[in-house]
This record gives sequence, C-alpha cells and structure tokens, in this order.
Amino acid sequence: KNEVEQSPQNLTAQEGEFITINCSYSVGISALHWLQQHPGGGIVSLFMLSSGKKKHGRLIATINIQEKHSSLHITASHPRDSAVYICAQNRDDKIIFGKGTRLHILP
Amino acid sequence: DSGVTQTPKHLITATGQRVTLRCSPRSGDLSVYWYQQSLDQGLQFLIQYYNGEERAKGNILERFSAQQFPDLHSELNLSSLELGDSALYFCASSVDRRGAYNEQFFGPGTRLTVL
Repeated sequence: KNEVEQSPQNLTAQEGEFITINCSYSVGISALHWLQQHPGGGIVSLFMLSSGKKKHGRLIATINIQEKHSSLHITASHPRDSAVYICAQNRDDKIIFGKGTRLHILP
Repeated sequence: DSGVTQTPKHLITATGQRVTLRCSPRSGDLSVYWYQQSLDQGLQFLIQYYNGEERAKGNILERFSAQQFPDLHSELNLSSLELGDSALYFCASSVDRRGAYNEQFFGPGTRLTVL
C-alpha cells in the first residue's frame, strides 16, 4: 500500500466542470505538495501547504491535518488543465509521491 | 522556464555503462533534489543535497551517487547501468533553510534509455 493515496486515478470531464482530486496520507507530515505534469513530461509545482487553504487563479488546494487529507480543486476547467496531478508529502526529510491522477478535460 | 537546467536532455547508453547527469539550480537556491520517474514506479525521491552536503536519502541504489559542488550545481552518477534504470531523471531546487520546506522548481528532466 502506497503511503500517499490519490483518487481518482483517472478523470475525464467536460470543459467548465468543477474538478476535485483527493490525496490521503497515513502518517503526519511536515508539508504537502501538489505537482502538475504535462504530457511533454515537465513538472510544475502548484502548491506547497502545511495547513489550511491556498488559491492560485482557478486552482485551490486544501489540507486537513487531523484527517490526513488534502484536495486539489480546479474551477471552470479547461482543456489546457489536462495533465497528471501528483500529490507528495514531506516527512522525515524524505518526499513520498502519490501515483498521480490523470485528468483529461474535453472541449 | 523554472530556472533549473539539466543536461543532457536525452541519453542513450548500453547496459554496464556509467553516465553523469548534471543539474544547475535556480540562482540563490541551496537545495537540490534528484528524482527518478519510471513507467512502473512513478516518481521516486532519490537524494537531496543542501549547500554541498547530503541532507536526505530516498530510494537511491548503491550503484548511484550524487554530489553538490561549491557553485551549487549537482551531478548524479549512475553506474553499472541496467535496463531497469531507463527512466526520466528530474532535479529540482528550492531555497530550503535547514528544517524548513519551500516550493520546489523542477528542471526539464533527462531521459535515460539503457539498451
């Protein structure tokens, strides 16, 4: 069992839909990252958070430390949001990755 | 453009060989992280250097080694290469102060193919 679990594994939605990707982890963390990997392979860091909520444009990330759960939301989704979204946790100076959620937004 | 550079972009080599991957962090970033991404394993953390010193080790094989030089660029050395070492190797950098974590900026990756 991976220590960082993401759901869903794959998600296809229509343009404009509200998207939620979930991340659960089993052990207390120092920080949690959300990454975006485009089909070309490049990785972009979207958020790093250790509590509460962060917003950047149409992206919102939340974390609930007590429930060991984080969500990434995308409002008004667009085909250019199609990518793999990866959650990762910092713990004991190590970084553990989820397997990613492959998101496909249809025009 | 993240400001992190990696060379080479692509590398094709044979089993048993040794290669060196290079990473230059963003200006001012003290930490360099190395990651491996293979099709079956996903992203895996290999090793982190902070200001020239090894800070954390992940799933790095004994055949692999890394170092960070005084100018803060880093090299990942992979030796006795096996077919299973074929993967994308990313480096990332951040300003990290000891005991704190900051956003990481990823390089474009080096695609290693072992034939």
